[in-house]
Amino acid sequence: GAGVSQSPSNKVTEKGKDVELRCDPISGHTALYWYRQSLGQGLEFLIYFQGNSAPDKSGLPSDRFSAERTGGSVSTLTIQRTQQEDSAVYLCASSPVDRPNTEAFFGQGTRLTVV
Amino acid sequence: DAKTTQPNSMESNEEEPVHLPCNHSTISGTDYIHWYRQLPSQGPEYVIHGLTSNVNNRMASLAIAEDRKSSTLILHRATLRDAAVYYCILRETNYGQNFVFGPGTRLSVLP
Repeated sequence: GAGVSQSPSNKVTEKGKDVELRCDPISGHTALYWYRQSLGQGLEFLIYFQGNSAPDKSGLPSDRFSAERTGGSVSTLTIQRTQQEDSAVYLCASSPVDRPNTEAFFGQGTRLTVV
Repeated sequence: DAKTTQPNSMESNEEEPVHLPCNHSTISGTDYIHWYRQLPSQGPEYVIHGLTSNVNNRMASLAIAEDRKSSTLILHRATLRDAAVYYCILRETNYGQNFVFGPGTRLSVLP
């Protein structure tokens, strides 16, 4: 079946522009996570959605970052006024339910380059 | 957050078994132990998880110490495709917990 889909796969933008990154989770998955991974680094948690609950935004690095999840499905991560340090791979994951014994499924990521 | 520690890197020869260790001395009684791996230029993928008993699946085996303060991911016959960064993660019982990734172990497989 279809996995987690992210678009675009690559994005090059000029410093100061806004960008939107999209994540289509696996159908029926209620939990959705965003991470970013700078070159050669580990995964940094950004934001987490679970059903209709308020999202956990504790990982967002600044107020330039925001995310939405419409209808409990598709999610968009928006970065305003991009900076060069925002260059990274942005990864989205979804999970069937929010329980500690369930696995998460990751997309292939969006590679963002800010020039 | 409960934390895990893993060696930064390990090396293995192709077709030999690999034992990847993870220490989680602050684990609480109901935390699950998960392993993920990340192949080059890909998103992480699930490998295996367990609570107390050892677990086997088509990808790997998970051996959990009796006191649960450590675990070992076992790849029975390493292939070149197994070269990846392996992450050991604790999933806490409270709802609303994200997956906390440490730096992981970079596994190199030599032909």
